[in-house]
Amino acid sequence: DVKVTQSSRYLVKRTGEKVFLECVQDMDHENMFWYRQDPGLGLRLIYFSYDVKMKEKGDIPEGYSVSREKKERFSLILESASTNQTSMYLCASRKQGSRIEQQFFGPGTRLTVL
Amino acid sequence: GQNIDQPTEMTATEGAIVQINCTYQTSGFNGLFWYQQHAGEAPTFLSYNVLDGLEEKGRFSSFLSRSKGYSYLLLKELQMKDSASYLCASRPDSNYQLIWGAGTKLIIKP
Repeated sequence: DVKVTQSSRYLVKRTGEKVFLECVQDMDHENMFWYRQDPGLGLRLIYFSYDVKMKEKGDIPEGYSVSREKKERFSLILESASTNQTSMYLCASRKQGSRIEQQFFGPGTRLTVL
Repeated sequence: GQNIDQPTEMTATEGAIVQINCTYQTSGFNGLFWYQQHAGEAPTFLSYNVLDGLEEKGRFSSFLSRSKGYSYLLLKELQMKDSASYLCASRPDSNYQLIWGAGTKLIIKP
């Protein structure tokens, strides 16, 4: 069974802290994504990675960075957390070149920044 | 610009049929996805349409009209477990990004 896991389901941090969100997939997928999901808004893409050590900015990269040192792992870093980064963060992966190329999602990390 | 519209919330009765609409305006088109998301859980893939017409998969069907920029998800024989948000997403081109709608929260009543 395909699986995307995220390091925490719930996280509470203070303003100014550095925050690491980890995502691991066991499907040997090339592409990985980080989204945030807020009420009333669609999923918004923060960053994506089409392969190891490759990354591209999405629609809202400000305040975030990412790391993809291994194929299975994609990390999202909040360099200095702010209250407006309180959100649900979803990681996804995708097999490039598959017939449909649907994204498989992790369970999400609900981050609260105080 | 790129835009996806779908209703915010819908209510239906157990055993009935419901149609969730999605209209899209994107710079290109390479397919439309529907995902289901139960509260507090990950979105899961339901369907993908790239050609006009109806794709049936058990109790769920998805329809696409490319000329109208319109899709719908049809759920038959509704069950309580179908209470969830349904996300529509358009793929403008063959690269990596999807354009997501805000989701339709479907409430099923007994």
